[in-house]
This record gives sequence, C-alpha cells and structure tokens, in this order.
Amino acid sequence: GAVVSQHPSRVICKSGTSVKIECRSLDFQATTMFWYRQFPKQSLMLMATSNEGSKATYEQGVEKDKFLINHASLTLSTLTVTSAHPEDSSFYICSARSKLAGGPAVQYFGAGTRLSVL
Amino acid sequence: KQEVTQIPAALSVPEGENLVLNCSFTDSAIYNLQWFRQDPGKGLTSLLLIQSSQREQTSGRLNASLDKSSGRSTLYIAASQPGDSATYLCAVILTGGGNKLTFGTGTQLKVEL
Repeated sequence: GAVVSQHPSRVICKSGTSVKIECRSLDFQATTMFWYRQFPKQSLMLMATSNEGSKATYEQGVEKDKFLINHASLTLSTLTVTSAHPEDSSFYICSARSKLAGGPAVQYFGAGTRLSVL
Repeated sequence: KQEVTQIPAALSVPEGENLVLNCSFTDSAIYNLQWFRQDPGKGLTSLLLIQSSQREQTSGRLNASLDKSSGRSTLYIAASQPGDSATYLCAVILTGGGNKLTFGTGTQLKVEL
C-alpha cells in the first residue's frame, strides 16, 4: 500500500524556537496533503489543506502565521511551528491524497510527530 | 457543520468475543466513510472505506456497514484478539467537501486475554 513518511517522530524544543515537520509520500504523487493536530484522548482536528504549488487553506481558528505550510513538490509538504510555546505541544499528523485517477479518494497517514515544547 | 460521534468511548472485552463499534454523523450528504485504527502514539491505519453508494465492506474479520439515511455506520470485529486493542476512528468526507475528513471521537478498545 501507499506509504507516507513523517519526520521527526518526536521533537522536544525550548519555548520560542521553531520546529519543522516533514511529510513525504514515498511511492505516489500527492496533489493534496493535510495536516492534523491531536490532543491527548481526543480525535484529529484538521489544521490545513495544502495543494502542491499553491498556498495552504487553513481551518478556522488556526493561525497561518504560526503554522507555516509549504507544499513545494508532489511528494513533500512541511509544517513549521514558529516560535513554539508549551500550548503548541501536541501530536501532529499529516496525510496525503493519492493522485491516481479513478477509484475512491483515499488519504494515507504518516506516523505522526510528538512535539513537546518546554 | 458535520459532527461525527462514536459510541462507546471505551470498550473492554474478553478475547474471542464478537463486538460492534458505532459511528453516527449528522449530515447524510457524505462522499464516503472510512474506519481507521490508531495505536498509542502512532499514526492512522486505514481499515475499510465505504463509498456512499455502498452498504458494507469486508476485510478479514472486519465488516463495516453504512446506512446513510440514518446517519450511521458500524464496525463489526469478529473473534477479537488482544492485537485488536487500539483506538478506532471513523471519518467521513462530505460530498463537495474538498476531501476533508471529519473524524469521530474514537472508541478505545481493549481485548483482554
């Protein structure tokens, strides 16, 4: 099946620093990638949708200047948490939608990144 | 706004038991519905996807049904095993929703020896 690689799996940083998370589709081209955030014992909340070569679309309440998303190629999207603070500590998960024509639109998920801001 | 609810929030069963997880959604204009599994601290693994025109999908010991008119889906797990212990999430994509998944609240399943 399709594989989505997310890196790093875990990051601990000091308050005020920026953290970049990468999401790569390894064996397919992804026209659309999604970034989710998950708090402990809660479900996934969509943060933003990114399409290759265009600006990301952010969900209501998500600060676009704080969570910078770049989707420079059909296989790579990055999420940068700028000036991270303890309240940004969370589990971030990306997903990628296959470009294959026909069939159901399926999203494949990365393994997630656990961000802890001290 | 689409809301997806899963009942129960947590479930503990003995090994070998058959079980049913429930998912309900408020907007029936869905494109498809997916069931996922999430192990602690991990990403999501897609289990089954049901298109809006389908009523059920099966994969091994798993069977998922969809009743759009009532806004419900069930995930049936036969002969449960300890390895089935995980959180199960259902998610829907609305018709014309731009492929955005709306996730349910999840059911945490524990299968005991």
